[in-house]
Amino acid sequence: SQQGEEDPQALSIQEGENATMNCSYKTSINNLQWYRQNSGRGLVHLILIRSNEREKHSGRLRVTLDTSKKSSSLLITASRAADTASYFCATKGSGNTPLVFGKGTRLSVIA
Amino acid sequence: EADIYQTPRYLVIGTGKKITLECSQTMGHDKMYWYQQDPGMELHLIHYSYGVNSTEKGDLSSESTVSRIRTEHFPLTLESARPSHTSQYLCASSIPGTGNNEQFFGPGTRLTVL
Repeated sequence: SQQGEEDPQALSIQEGENATMNCSYKTSINNLQWYRQNSGRGLVHLILIRSNEREKHSGRLRVTLDTSKKSSSLLITASRAADTASYFCATKGSGNTPLVFGKGTRLSVIA
Repeated sequence: EADIYQTPRYLVIGTGKKITLECSQTMGHDKMYWYQQDPGMELHLIHYSYGVNSTEKGDLSSESTVSRIRTEHFPLTLESARPSHTSQYLCASSIPGTGNNEQFFGPGTRLTVL
């Protein structure tokens, strides 16, 4: 399985600080995606980075991908209380395979 | 906000009952998925479909079944619910043809089996 593993499992920071979450996976991928889940809700797609890309930005989000280390990081800058959620990475392999989700990082942003 | 709907949002039932969780999307997506997720835990893929009359089992062994008779509709059925089925069930769909599998999720059904 190419399941992503997020690190840390939980993270608590003050509003305004940056939050960094990491994801490691096991086999080669076509792309890697990050999702956010507010408590008791469905997941929302945040950003996708392809295997031939190294870095991508979207608003306050910055994602990096290191295929040699089979790892990715999600950086949220200037965090807000509304960023409090669980964040999941998901990997897409080659062919018609489904996404495989990691275990998630629970982020708490304290106002 | 994605146009993918799940009903009911909450369901409390007794052991042995047959239940169907509904999922519909109005985006014309070919690919649809069902996940099971315990609170605060990872998602487990239990079923998926890449089009009408196509269904596959996911990684998690499940006693549920699915059908895909129409593109927009992907119901999940438990023939005989048990307390071990208590969980949140998430439905998702993804855009056809891109190969990205970016997924759009419904709000989930929280199932409690007594």
